[in-house]
Amino acid sequence: GDSVTQKQGQVTLSEDDFLFINCTYSTTTYPTLLWYVQYLGQGPQLLLKVTTANNKGISRGFEATYDKGTTSFHLQKASVQESDSAVYFCALVENTGNYKYVFGAGTRLKVIA
Amino acid sequence: GALVYQYPRRTICKSGTSMRMECQAVGFQATSVAWYRQSPQKTFELIALSTVNSAIKYEQNFTQEKFPISHPNLSFSSMTVLNAYLEDRGLYLCGARQGNTEVFFGKGTRLTVV
Repeated sequence: GDSVTQKQGQVTLSEDDFLFINCTYSTTTYPTLLWYVQYLGQGPQLLLKVTTANNKGISRGFEATYDKGTTSFHLQKASVQESDSAVYFCALVENTGNYKYVFGAGTRLKVIA
Repeated sequence: GALVYQYPRRTICKSGTSMRMECQAVGFQATSVAWYRQSPQKTFELIALSTVNSAIKYEQNFTQEKFPISHPNLSFSSMTVLNAYLEDRGLYLCGARQGNTEVFFGKGTRLTVV
């Protein structure tokens, strides 16, 4: 079955540091790849998504490239702020209409001012 | 805009009792509703997917007998956790969409079992 792997359980950075969160996926389909952000006490919110392989999604300074060759969808941001502290989930959904989302384990980002 | 409301936001129930949670879609027609559970230290697990005019599809390890779901119209869904025990605690999320559009998630119902 489909799976999404996020190796980093927690990342701690200082403000203005570069962010890189690892995400790889496995599927036999042609999925849409997504990043969700979950702030404390909230449900997950869509941060960005990419439907087509080799395209890049950009939102609020975050970006991720759908790399079909390496089956990766790493999340990056050039300069993080304390307000970016949250849990980030990588996910995929098949483009077949059954819309089963498969989420990674999540990466908790803590940004220190 | 499209919003999904869940209530209650938090609830506590005694072990062995049942608890019903609700999901309301505002600003769009929820033709599909998915219920997820986020257990402590875990990611989101899909419990079941309900699509209008189709049977509710439960994922492995989740059953209708334990998590009965109702999806009576295009704006509302409910799910009950029957005979709740400690392993059922967590954040229950409702995700709704209209057709093939983006899924909107509510803020979840946090269930504590004592």
